[in-house]
Amino acid sequence: SQELEQSPQSLIVQEGKNLTINCTSSKTLYGLYWYKQKYGEGLIFLMMLQKGGEEKSHEKITAKLDEKKQQSSLHITASQPSHAGIYLCGADMGNNDMRFGAGTRLTVKP
Amino acid sequence: EPEVTQTPSHQVTQMGQEVILRCVPISNHLYFYWYRQILGQKVEFLVSFYNNEISEKSEIFDDQFSVERPDGSNFTLKIRSTKLEDSAMYFCASGGTFSGANVLTFGAGSRLTVL
Repeated sequence: SQELEQSPQSLIVQEGKNLTINCTSSKTLYGLYWYKQKYGEGLIFLMMLQKGGEEKSHEKITAKLDEKKQQSSLHITASQPSHAGIYLCGADMGNNDMRFGAGTRLTVKP
Repeated sequence: EPEVTQTPSHQVTQMGQEVILRCVPISNHLYFYWYRQILGQKVEFLVSFYNNEISEKSEIFDDQFSVERPDGSNFTLKIRSTKLEDSAMYFCASGGTFSGANVLTFGAGSRLTVL
């Protein structure tokens, strides 16, 4: 079965700093999805990447998918306390099934 | 904006009791999911449901679990005889298609505490 590895497991940054979260798949991805979870709440969709080499941005968050479609990164520029939460990458397993990595817990210190 | 609604938000039950968690997915979505998150751990896939039948299920989804879409709007997860280790947050999600992708919308979750 496809495994998604996320790194780092947790990250503490000072407000204003940039950061990167990585997601690596054991197999080629049909689609790679980034979600954010605030503590104790449901997951909120951030971005979806489907094509090798694709890059998308929304406000200060940029996600990239490598050419081989096995690795994705999520980059936050000038982090703010509102960016704090758990970031999860999800992969479409085919058959419209979505599985998630273990998540990266981000803390932004004011 | 359309949302997925889950009830109850929190349920406390005694071990061995049956529990039904309810979800109202987004009305024009076709795919429905249940996930589980034990406190502090990862979001684990339980089951997916499409066209009124189970599409995929994980090894966690054993005989004590069942899902139903009884009336075309609600989507339920039943746990027949709860165990202590079933204590977790259960998330329902529904998926539509958007440019060939399957973006899931999640509910806020139902917290189950088994005593």
